[in-house]
Amino acid sequence: KAGVTQTPRYLIKTRGQQVTLSCSPISGHRSVSWYQQTPGQGLQFLFEYFSETQRNKGNFPGRFSGRQFSNSRSEMNVSTLELGDSALYLCASSGQGGTSGGARTDTQYFGPGTRLTVL
Amino acid sequence: SQQGEEDPQALSIQEGENATMNCSYKTSINNLQWYRQNSGRGLVHLILIRSNEREKHSGRLRVTLDTSKKSSSLLITASRAADTASYFCATGSGGSNYKLTFGKGTLLTVNP
Repeated sequence: KAGVTQTPRYLIKTRGQQVTLSCSPISGHRSVSWYQQTPGQGLQFLFEYFSETQRNKGNFPGRFSGRQFSNSRSEMNVSTLELGDSALYLCASSGQGGTSGGARTDTQYFGPGTRLTVL
Repeated sequence: SQQGEEDPQALSIQEGENATMNCSYKTSINNLQWYRQNSGRGLVHLILIRSNEREKHSGRLRVTLDTSKKSSSLLITASRAADTASYFCATGSGGSNYKLTFGKGTLLTVNP
């Protein structure tokens, strides 16, 4: 199976602009999560989508939003970019969660990330 | 906020030696996962241990989990230069296994 893919891999924007990042999960996976990684804050959870619905949300301002399409592909959008938004944005996909003791479907598989630089 | 805290923050060893990294967390968990990251790239899943398990093995990796102490350890045996990377523990808790909380990681350097 192909892994999680993210596009673009690198992006340079200026303050005030907006950006859209894309993630294609592993075939058959329905859950897509997004994380932000910075040197100062480390890896932080942004949100998770399952069957086109946002199921979990982290503590990020409303400038960060996302969506999921019927084919499970997901996009995240950051509006009014700030310098502090410079980060590696990672997407992870996971299969349908099983019950406790069930199949190992809650493992999250990460893509290579999109490196966003805000100037 | 970071739930997991890895210890040590950095570890430098010689090829062939064993490397042990520790992770502590604060709240009850459903499972704990270890990931590897090479120099700013994506995370590679190494192993998942559920809250009702105490030890798991995968190749040269051994993970232990002590829920009473809220801690886990990752042992890499017979290390290789290719093991040089940052290692993170991540916990899934509450009603969701899909919202992972990561520690700040241990930077492992294996010298040839």
